[in-house]
Amino acid sequence: GDSVTQMEGPVTLSEEAFLTINCTYTATGYPSLFWYVQYPGEGLQLLLKATKADDKGSNKGFEATYRKETTSFHLEKGSVQVSDSAVYFCALSDPGNTGKLIFGQGTTLQVKP
Amino acid sequence: GAVVSQHPSRVICKSGTSVKIECRSLDFQATTMFWYRQFPKKSLMLMATSNEGSKATYEQGVEKDKFLINHASLTLSTLTVTSAHPEDSSFYICSARDRGQGYGYTFGSGTRLTVV
Repeated sequence: GDSVTQMEGPVTLSEEAFLTINCTYTATGYPSLFWYVQYPGEGLQLLLKATKADDKGSNKGFEATYRKETTSFHLEKGSVQVSDSAVYFCALSDPGNTGKLIFGQGTTLQVKP
Repeated sequence: GAVVSQHPSRVICKSGTSVKIECRSLDFQATTMFWYRQFPKKSLMLMATSNEGSKATYEQGVEKDKFLINHASLTLSTLTVTSAHPEDSSFYICSARDRGQGYGYTFGSGTRLTVV
């Protein structure tokens, strides 16, 4: 079935470091891809999304490009801040259009001053 | 933007009692709502999909009689945990699709349920 695999965390970085969180997916169709962020004790917030191959989603300095050839959607940020510390989830929407979101296991990012 | 209000944010209940969690779309009509359960340091597990005016579709392994879902209107879905037990303690999150914004997903802020 469809699935999302994220790199295992936690990821610990110093402020202003470069961030990459890997995400690969398996899907039978052409899903949309998402990155969500979850701060402690809160729900999920959409960070960015891409709906078709080669699309680049971007928001708040974060970017991810929908790579169909490698079935990847890696999240990057050039210079992280302490406030970026959170759990990041990669997800895909069910290509069967049931509306389901399938999540990766989440990657905890901790940014130290 | 689209806002989903989820209440309560925290609830503590005794074993054997029932707890109702509400999920409301405040400024849009949600044709579909989703209920997720999140275990500590784990991903979100989809429990069920509810469509307004019809029965919820439960994922495999989710007990329908234990987790009652009602989607009575385009702006309200409820999850009732019946006869709660300590193993039901978890973080529950709802999500709604906004028909008016390209069916984007908006999440509630979650409910921390503790059963004692």
